[in-house]
Amino acid sequence: EVRLVESGGGLVKPGGSLRLSCVASGFTFRNFNINWVRQAPGKGLEWVSGISTISSYKYFADSVKGRFTISRDDAKNTVFLQLNNLRAEDTALYYCARVGVWSAYSFDDWGRGTLVTVSS
Amino acid sequence: QSALTQPASVSGSPGQSITISCTGTSSDVGRYNYVSWYQQHPGKAPKVMIFDVNNRPSGVSNRFSGSKSGNTASLTISGLQAEDEADYYCSSFASSNTLVFGTGTKVTVL
Repeated sequence: EVRLVESGGGLVKPGGSLRLSCVASGFTFRNFNINWVRQAPGKGLEWVSGISTISSYKYFADSVKGRFTISRDDAKNTVFLQLNNLRAEDTALYYCARVGVWSAYSFDDWGRGTLVTVSS
Repeated sequence: QSALTQPASVSGSPGQSITISCTGTSSDVGRYNYVSWYQQHPGKAPKVMIFDVNNRPSGVSNRFSGSKSGNTASLTISGLQAEDEADYYCSSFASSNTLVFGTGTKVTVL
């Protein structure tokens, strides 16, 4: 069974930093791209970032470019999202999601999310 | 990276068919056949219902179907059931190797 477990969220002041983790199990982690998607309270889904296999490519939404970085550790089946210079509008539930077996552009498996709250 | 446009709400009676539209641009929906649809129940993570415009993952009911014409993709739910009441989001691959989601549609079963 595919499992994705996010952690690292919390309350942080504007301008602060957090590092989110996504630990995966139940599949060959190194073979799949992993993405982060966030959802502000009561709002819709927003794609944030993605990382390809062997970290060859890293992609970011314009809203986070230059502030967030993404990395992966295949030995630990973990993807990290470093959030810097946080703003109130970054407040959201952050999901990690694995791309599908048949399509690299859909997300077949999701974690339950970790909540990031940016407030003074 | 503007969000794709979806109607805020769509409703239908049990057994009816409904269609949700997802309008993008020639840089996303119109350019790539990489449109997906997700169902999200309250307090739950999204679940993929359609990928690559019109493909259903294993285990998804064949009552769900997808299509695309020009810059607009569509999700049709036939034989509407109470369990289909949820929020639905489209997504599309976009230029610069990014991905964009739709604004979301609340489906209500009357």
